[in-house]
Amino acid sequence: DAGVIQSPRHEVTEMGQEVTLRCKPISGHNSLFWYRQTMMRGLELLIYFNNNVPIDDSGMPEDRFSAKMPNASFSTLKIQPSEPRDSAVYFCASSGQGRGYTFGSGTRLTVV
Amino acid sequence: DQQVKQNSPSLSVQEGRISILNCDYTNSMFDYFLWYKKYPAEGPTFLISISSIKDKNEDGRFTVFLNKSAKHLSLHIVPSQPGDSAVYFCAASRTRSNYKLTFGKGTLLTVNP
Repeated sequence: DAGVIQSPRHEVTEMGQEVTLRCKPISGHNSLFWYRQTMMRGLELLIYFNNNVPIDDSGMPEDRFSAKMPNASFSTLKIQPSEPRDSAVYFCASSGQGRGYTFGSGTRLTVV
Repeated sequence: DQQVKQNSPSLSVQEGRISILNCDYTNSMFDYFLWYKKYPAEGPTFLISISSIKDKNEDGRFTVFLNKSAKHLSLHIVPSQPGDSAVYFCAASRTRSNYKLTFGKGTLLTVNP
């Protein structure tokens, strides 16, 4: 089991550019989460998918953020246009029935 | 409004001694609590959990205590080892099956040899 796989590990981009973060959950897990970690706010839930369907996106900060899960093995988080305040570590996590979260290693995003 | 608070950003202890990490919560609807450990450049990993029907859960060197009346939980590590040096996150949810975990900001534990 390779765990939750996120790519890229690091992303540096210029303000105004589009950024796409990718996640492959653990096979068989039916729930997927995107979290953002910042010094000021800690770990915040951005969006939650269950069986590929977005259930709760109330944590998405604004319309510049969007997330998709086209199938059970892939999800993307897109920021367009990116801003310096979006700089953070973005984590994807997945879980199955009755099990806790398994987090990926995260994507460190820097917007300059 | 931070519903899960870890008021100590950092803690330093000697190897072999006890480490006590604290967490307070404000939402009385929370009834399931977890601790996660995070090493640099890795994602958080699950460590131990406790349901509100218990006041203690133990797993090897790790014990979590829950005081519901005080809305306080703590993680005890005995004995502490240098490999325990990491950031520890407290998290809470309304039910064990509820998807939404609310995390604290974390406490950096350093165990000195």
